[in-house]
Amino acid sequence: DIQMTQSPSSVSASVGDRVTITCRASQGISTWLAWYQQKPGKAPKLLIYSASNLQSGVPSRFSGSGSGTDFTLTISSLQPEDFATYYCQQGNILPLTFGGGTKVEIK
Amino acid sequence: EVQLVESGGGLVQPGGSLRLSCAASGFTFNSFWMSWVRQAPGEGLEWVALIKYDGVERYYVDSVKGRFTITRDNAKNSLNLQLNSLTAEDTAVYYCATYVHRASDSWGQGTLVTVSS
Repeated sequence: DIQMTQSPSSVSASVGDRVTITCRASQGISTWLAWYQQKPGKAPKLLIYSASNLQSGVPSRFSGSGSGTDFTLTISSLQPEDFATYYCQQGNILPLTFGGGTKVEIK
Repeated sequence: EVQLVESGGGLVQPGGSLRLSCAASGFTFNSFWMSWVRQAPGEGLEWVALIKYDGVERYYVDSVKGRFTITRDNAKNSLNLQLNSLTAEDTAVYYCATYVHRASDSWGQGTLVTVSS
């Protein structure tokens, strides 16, 4: 199985900050990488698919990049509604696997 | 608007069975691959199963192979997950989701399965 490693596991940031989350795959996954946002008690929400494609309706302050084994999710200017946990997921090979999550907390 | 509504969760004893359902609306159900993803309390996300739009191809994570069965009824716009031989490790919120671009696109609200004596 492909292991997905996210870092950091948590980050404290302020409104307006630029936040970067990284995700590393244990083997190459081309650009089959998705990012999700999850708030407490809610279902995850797809933000980015195929590494860099913004899901419809997602604010443009979210962006994704990378290919192969190293990927990045960037929030250009953190908003109050962005405090949540973020997960990456590889879609290159079954089983689909998720990273352990990154919790973005208020500083 | 895509709507996915899961049902069927509850408390079940170890070794027991449960059948989860997901009612889909707002999109052409028979054109989409569908998946189940679960989340144990306080833990991360785990993909469970995937089914092709025609139901012919099905895939599972190793930990549920032989115990869980994913099916769909395109006439009723319904996705199902039969859970057998349940253990405490299967305790989780189970989400159904559409599968597009090799990602889980739209999600239901989830249904909680608790395995305990």
